[in-house]
Amino acid sequence: GQQVMQIPQYQHVQEGEDFTTYCNSSTTLSNIQWYKQRPGGHPVFLIQLVKSGEVKKQKRLTFQFGEAKKNSSLHITATQTTDVGTYFCAGPDQGGSEKLVFGKGTKLTVNP
Amino acid sequence: KAGVTQTPRYLIKTRGQQVTLSCSPISGHRSVSWYQQTPGQGLQFLFEYFSETQRNKGNFPGRFSGRQFSNSRSEMNVSTLELGDSALYLCASSLGIGSEQFFGPGTRLTVL
Repeated sequence: GQQVMQIPQYQHVQEGEDFTTYCNSSTTLSNIQWYKQRPGGHPVFLIQLVKSGEVKKQKRLTFQFGEAKKNSSLHITATQTTDVGTYFCAGPDQGGSEKLVFGKGTKLTVNP
Repeated sequence: KAGVTQTPRYLIKTRGQQVTLSCSPISGHRSVSWYQQTPGQGLQFLFEYFSETQRNKGNFPGRFSGRQFSNSRSEMNVSTLELGDSALYLCASSLGIGSEQFFGPGTRLTVL
């Protein structure tokens, strides 16, 4: 079945450093979504990318969808302690169902 | 607009028992998806309901079942609980499974 892989699994940074998480799908995706889950919380939608090569920015967060629509990245510039949490990417299953397949996430910790 | 609500928030059961979890979606959302979240496996899709019909199903045994009512509220049931069923169960509502998912706070199930 379709797999969505994320690396790294964990990332620890000093406050002010940049952070990047990468998402790779075994199949071409029609779109990709990113979610953030704070410790003890639930996933919250961040953004959806649809077009090949698309780049979107939300303040210090930059999201990119690969040209082949099989990979994506989330980059955070100058991390803050409020960025702590687990970042998930998710893509629709290409095997016939419409379910979302989530990556296992990248857990970000920020040292103040 | 009120968010997605889930009840109960915490549940402790013993092996062999059954459990029913409830989810009330955001008003106007007809799609409700259920996910199991564990530290080892991440977010795994259980099933999705739309207008009282199960449209998509994940790879879980038949002990996991669900339903949706005419007011879009959904319930999931797990019978003959096993220790490995201990997890955070999240429901998410949306306009459609491929669109932005709004997650509830989850039900933390512990099986002893």
